[in-house]
Amino acid sequence: QLHLQESGPGLVKPSETLSLTCSVSGGPFNSIFHFWGWIRQAPGKGLEWIANVYHTGKTYYNPSLESRVTISADLSKSQFSLTLRSVTVADTAVYYCASQYTSGGETAEYFEHWGQGSLVTVSS
Amino acid sequence: ETVLTQSPAALSVSPGESATLSCRASESVSSGLAWYQQKPGQAPRLLIYDSSARATGIPARFSGSGSGTEFTLTISSLQSEDFAVYFCQQYNNWPPSTFGQGTSVEIK
Repeated sequence: QLHLQESGPGLVKPSETLSLTCSVSGGPFNSIFHFWGWIRQAPGKGLEWIANVYHTGKTYYNPSLESRVTISADLSKSQFSLTLRSVTVADTAVYYCASQYTSGGETAEYFEHWGQGSLVTVSS
Repeated sequence: ETVLTQSPAALSVSPGESATLSCRASESVSSGLAWYQQKPGQAPRLLIYDSSARATGIPARFSGSGSGTEFTLTISSLQSEDFAVYFCQQYNNWPPSTFGQGTSVEIK
């Protein structure tokens, strides 16, 4: 059973950069059946997919955030990371990392395993 | 991007009764639709994928149906632990994956 755990600061100042890391255990990070992704949920709101990465380094981004986001993977540490630049109060949310099933690395499907979530507040 | 509209926004149901939740897509997503359950303070939990396949460990009282643009999640004989918010997600027209705004199932 895959286990994912987010880590990173809980408070970021406006205009600065948000950085989060997700550690994966309980299964192979280089699995051909998983993308690794980030989803966020603003307080009291719905879910928004941010980005995902395949173990080959292939990345995909939500067009609404693409200009400010970078996702990367470190196979040696079984970790993947999210960087969101120039944050505003609108970026305050719980950030989840998750595994996203893929049948062969070309399309990312449903989110099977989720981390517990990391609340990031943007405030001065 | 494909917009998912869930209805109703909230649903009041008595324990033991059934609940039917709807998810409508702005364009066809074929069978590429999943349902998730989220309880307060917890991460979402995968219930249904590929429109109708139950995820591992999900009780048979949860069932999904539909294809194209109209999808339904049915929860038969609601248990106390089923009162939660339910989200649909499409992955056929990806990227981006998109989610519905959620349906809250509340105790009547």
